[in-house]
Parts: sequence; structure tokens; C-alpha cells
Amino acid sequence: GNSVTQMEGPVTLSEEAFLTINCTYTATGYPSLFWYVQYPGEGLQLLLKATKADDKGSNKGFEATYRKETTSFHLEKGSVQVSDSAVYFCALIIYGNNRLAFGKGNQVVVIP
Amino acid sequence: DVKVTQSSRYLVKRTGEKVFLECVQDMDHENMFWYRQDPGLGLRLIYFSYDVKMKEKGDIPEGYSVSREKKERFSLILESASTNQTSMYLCAILVRGNTEAFFGQGTRLTVV
Repeated sequence: GNSVTQMEGPVTLSEEAFLTINCTYTATGYPSLFWYVQYPGEGLQLLLKATKADDKGSNKGFEATYRKETTSFHLEKGSVQVSDSAVYFCALIIYGNNRLAFGKGNQVVVIP
Repeated sequence: DVKVTQSSRYLVKRTGEKVFLECVQDMDHENMFWYRQDPGLGLRLIYFSYDVKMKEKGDIPEGYSVSREKKERFSLILESASTNQTSMYLCAILVRGNTEAFFGQGTRLTVV
């Protein structure tokens, strides 16, 4: 089946630090990959996406590259801000399947 | 702009009550989903619907039912609420040719 695995545990880091959140996937077809962000008390918002191998999604200083050879879609940001504190979910969808598979999410806390 | 509206942000219900959570979209999208979100478990799919009066069980349908009488409205029903159904409930639709999910703001339900 289709599944997404995110690194375990919350991430706490200082303002202006480099952020990486790992995401790997298994899929029976050719997935599109996503990162969603959830700010406190809110629903999920799409942060970025990539629809084919070697595509790079980017938004708000965040980037992730679709790596088919390593089945990964790691999220990175070069210099985080306190306002980036949120929960981040990696997800995939197989076109025609119409079901999203989500990772368990990572709480990111940025300390001033 | 896509709009997905969940009827309540916060709800408190008593054990044994019948609870209705409503989700309304303002476009003609076919695929609608109900998830629950719990710490450490991420998002889990309860039910989804791909058209009016059509529904399919997700990964955790026990204790829930759904109704889709009109295309724009997808209701999640807790027939007899229990304390283990205390959770954040998220409604989502598929957009952009079923290649991306768009979420409502979420309903935080507490069953006492």
C-alpha cells in the first residue's frame, strides 16, 4: 500500500537555524508529494508540492525535492523564524486513487 | 478561491449524544473526506465520499457514519458519542483535478 514515514519526535531549534524534516514514502504508483503545515488552532494548509521526480517545491523559504531514487521528500529551510512554529505533515496521493496518505507530523518549535 | 467550511470550531458534547459535524464546500468538487487528528497518530481517514450518496469507509470508520445528500455538504455523524472520540476533526476536498487536498479549519470536539 501507500504510506509516508516522517522522522520521530518534535523538533526544537533556535531562530535562524537550519531546519530539516525527513520524509520517506512507499507507493504502488507514481505519487505526487506534499508538505502541509498546521499552525496552532488551524486546519492544514498546503505548503508546497512536487508532482514528478526531481521536481523541487518551494514556498515561504521552504524547499523539498522529489527524490525517486531514495523515495524521499525532505523539507528544508535555511533560516527559521518564530512564526514557523507549527506542525508539518508530509503526504502523498496517487492520481486516480484519490486518497491521501499522511505522515504522523512533526511539531516544530522555534525559540527566539 | 476554494472554501471549505466546517460548521463549528469547538464543540462539547455529552457521552451518548448523537453528534453531527458538517462540512460545506463552495465549488462542485466530488471527493470529500473526514479525518481525525490525534497527537502522535497524525491524520487518520474515517470516511470519504466521491459523489452524492456515495461513501466509502476509511481506516477507522467504527463509531461513525456519514451522509452526503447534496454535493456541497458532507456530514460526519457520531451515533452515540464516547470519550474516545474526543479529537480534532478535519474535512478535506480534492481540488485541481484531484491532485491536491484543501482542508477546512477543523472542529475540536470534546466528549464529556
